[in-house]
Amino acid sequence: SQTIHQWPATLVQPVGSPLSLECTVEGTSNPNLYWYRQAAGRGLQLLFYSVGIGQISSEVPQNLSASRPQDRQFILSSKKLLLSDSGFYLCAWRATGGQGITLHFGNGTRLTVT
Amino acid sequence: AQRVTQPEKLLSVFKGAPVELKCNYSYSGSPELFWYVQYSRQRLQLLLRHISRESIKGFTADLNKGETSFHLKKPFAQEEDSAMYYCALPYNQGGKLIFGQGTELSVKP
Repeated sequence: SQTIHQWPATLVQPVGSPLSLECTVEGTSNPNLYWYRQAAGRGLQLLFYSVGIGQISSEVPQNLSASRPQDRQFILSSKKLLLSDSGFYLCAWRATGGQGITLHFGNGTRLTVT
Repeated sequence: AQRVTQPEKLLSVFKGAPVELKCNYSYSGSPELFWYVQYSRQRLQLLLRHISRESIKGFTADLNKGETSFHLKKPFAQEEDSAMYYCALPYNQGGKLIFGQGTELSVKP
């Protein structure tokens, strides 16, 4: 069966420090991968989207970047964190090939920038 | 532009009471809408999709194109229904979903 792993679960980082959040999917090939952010009172905002290795679409301008070095690995990064980067980050995957558009989410990472 | 609106941040009801979580959308074309739920300490997961026309955990949702709504309903709320609920709508290509701001449902004993 397919599983999605996201880590770390929580992270406290000072302003100006770098960030790296990792997400991996098992049990499926060539998934579509997503990074969402859940900020208080603002719902779920799509940050990045990837249909394949090295293919990244950015949905909103921001201080963050994403990379997909392997088929089932998706990384969210920042060179210098801002206070406004605090939030709950969710990774998700979707099967391709006409199997619907149900997203499967990871457990999320709670990021606090101090 | 596609948009999903959930007007209520918090909805509080007593056990056994009916519950309706509102969702309105803006979409050019025939939408496919979803409800996702996040229970405490669990990951966000699909609750139901309108195309399936199914009832999950007693919840139903009907797409009303005239009112551009997809409200989630349950006739008798249970305490275990307490959770965060998100309405979602696909946009562009590739299975991307946009989500509403979410409604926290609190069912009191």
